[in-house]
Amino acid sequence: GQQLNQSPQSMFIQEGEDVSMNCTSSSIFNTWLWYKQDPGEGPVLLIALYKAGELTSNGRLTAQFGITRKDSFLNISASIPSDVGIYFCAGQLTSGYALNFGKGTSLLVTP
Amino acid sequence: NAGVTQTPKFQVLKTGQSMTLQCAQDMNHEYMSWYRQDPGMGLRLIHYSVGAGITDQGEVPNGYNVSRSTTEDFPLRLLSAAPSQTSVYFCASSMDRGYGYTFGSGTRLTVV
Repeated sequence: GQQLNQSPQSMFIQEGEDVSMNCTSSSIFNTWLWYKQDPGEGPVLLIALYKAGELTSNGRLTAQFGITRKDSFLNISASIPSDVGIYFCAGQLTSGYALNFGKGTSLLVTP
Repeated sequence: NAGVTQTPKFQVLKTGQSMTLQCAQDMNHEYMSWYRQDPGMGLRLIHYSVGAGITDQGEVPNGYNVSRSTTEDFPLRLLSAAPSQTSVYFCASSMDRGYGYTFGSGTRLTVV
């Protein structure tokens, strides 16, 4: 599969702070997806991006599809304790079926 | 509730045993896939299917077999379990390529 570099690997923040994470690839992707995984559960889709430059929000979450189509960013504003979990980026090539996943960003939020 | 259902949730196997992980979805999705998740490795694609009767290999297919006889079901077979197959397995489905995938809650497999 295609290598996706997701950073940071982990974040430890206080409630109310904003969070930023990103994902980069050496390949051009047609679709970028952001998932959140809670302990013992499967990943849940947060935001899907389909066009270069696209900026999409879902409540306090905002994600962008990079202009080069090789990167994507996820921001969480005013974090709350239930934001705790692992966030994964995933990209899909123009051709092919597979979703290529980053290794995840582990987010911890203290009250 | 609509979604992807995986069974069992937990399983312990002895080396060399075979078993089938079940996956069913009730959303009439054409695309289904199996991923494994290992610490520090993210999710890696094992096998996928773009419709009933059509399957193909993903990134890490060795030691696994799949078939898709109906739209709803996509079982994953471990032919001869090995300790390296200890992992958490996720099934996912999608209405079409490029759309967000819905994941099941996973099967945690330990091979001893």
